[in-house]
Amino acid sequence: NAGVTQTPKFQVLKTGQSMTLQCAQDMNHEYMSWYRQDPGMGLRLIHYSVGAGITDQGEVPNGYNVSRSTTEDFPLRLLSAAPSQTSVYFCASSYFESGANVLTFGAGSRLTVL
Amino acid sequence: ILNVEQSPQSLHVQEGDSTNFTCSFPSSNFYALHWYRWETAKSPEALFVMTLNGDEKKKGRISATLNTKEGYSYLYIKGSQPEDSATYLCAFHSGYSTLTFGKGTMLLVSP
Repeated sequence: NAGVTQTPKFQVLKTGQSMTLQCAQDMNHEYMSWYRQDPGMGLRLIHYSVGAGITDQGEVPNGYNVSRSTTEDFPLRLLSAAPSQTSVYFCASSYFESGANVLTFGAGSRLTVL
Repeated sequence: ILNVEQSPQSLHVQEGDSTNFTCSFPSSNFYALHWYRWETAKSPEALFVMTLNGDEKKKGRISATLNTKEGYSYLYIKGSQPEDSATYLCAFHSGYSTLTFGKGTMLLVSP
């Protein structure tokens, strides 16, 4: 049982390049989400999905796309990278406890855009 | 955008001290309040989720309380140990299925 697996762990991009951050979970969780973590800002929600085929925007969705074709995978795409997207990205999947989503996080992906 | 405030921002205590932090959140549309523990170079791990006003949860030396009417939760650590050093995040879960995180309280426990 690997939990939530994110790849790559580190990536350096040039402005305008595109890339995909991969996220996979093996816990059969329906709910998955992507957060970014910036100094002094806390974790901010980018996109989330409540099940295969369903995605929705979070607090900071601009510049990012997601899709959820299977329960296991939730990739995050940067269409045209900008320096403002330099951040640490966390993918999470959720199980329910007391009726609430409890997040299990991946190890994080550190992205630098030059 | 929901406002979730944590205080203090950081805290430095000696081993054996007891400590507590606060999380403030909107008192309307409450669904759940989460606490996560985030050690450096790792990913956040769930500590507690609380849904009812007056809830108290405990895990070893760490406990949490919840007041939904006034919009706050306290996290207590009794007899802090160096391994308790971490950032403690709270997250507010409204009725709209997403979590809003506070910026965290960074705790450093010196031996």
